Amino acid sequence: EIVLTQSPTTTAASPGEKVTITCLASSSVSNMYWYQQKSGASPKLLIYSTSSLASGVPDRFSGSGSGTSYSLTINTMEAEDAATYYCQQWSSNPLTFGSGTKLEIK
Amino acid sequence: EVQLVESGGGLVQPGRSLKLSCAASGFTFSDYNMAWVRQAPKKGLEWVATIIYDGSRTYYRDSVKGRFTISRDNAKSTLYLQMDSLRSEDTATYYCATHSATFDYWGQGVMVTVSS
Repeated sequence: EIVLTQSPTTTAASPGEKVTITCLASSSVSNMYWYQQKSGASPKLLIYSTSSLASGVPDRFSGSGSGTSYSLTINTMEAEDAATYYCQQWSSNPLTFGSGTKLEIK
Repeated sequence: EVQLVESGGGLVQPGRSLKLSCAASGFTFSDYNMAWVRQAPKKGLEWVATIIYDGSRTYYRDSVKGRFTISRDNAKSTLYLQMDSLRSEDTATYYCATHSATFDYWGQGVMVTVSS
């Protein structure tokens, strides 16, 4: 099973600040996917195929990476971006998620 | 508008069974693979099972193999999860979701609590 390790576990950013969340895979994966989950809500797809924005996702979000190292970047933090973010892979069975990064607004 | 509405959750004793349903609307259900993803209280996301669009194949995580059965009724646009021999570690919110390589659309989730 491929283990996805996210860092940091928790972080806080001021409005306008740049935020980067990292996802390290225990083995190489071909693509990474990212989800946003706000408190009390269902997860929402943010990024697919490593770097493509899902429909309706603001372009301040971006994804990058390859092999075992991937990242999600928010270029300018906004209050509405406070949430928990999860990476996900399905290059290998079983499909796995990262343990999540909680992002708070300062 | 895509809608996925789960139902059937509740409190159940260890070893007993429960069946979840997910009613889909706003898209052609029979064209989509579907999945169940769960989230234990204050924990992360965990994929449970996936069923191919026509029901011909199913996939499960190891910890639920032989206990859970995913199925679908395309005529009713409904997804199911039959959960048998429930354990305390199955306690979670269960989400149904469309499943390509990603989980594109999610339901609001239904809580399952396994406790005596």
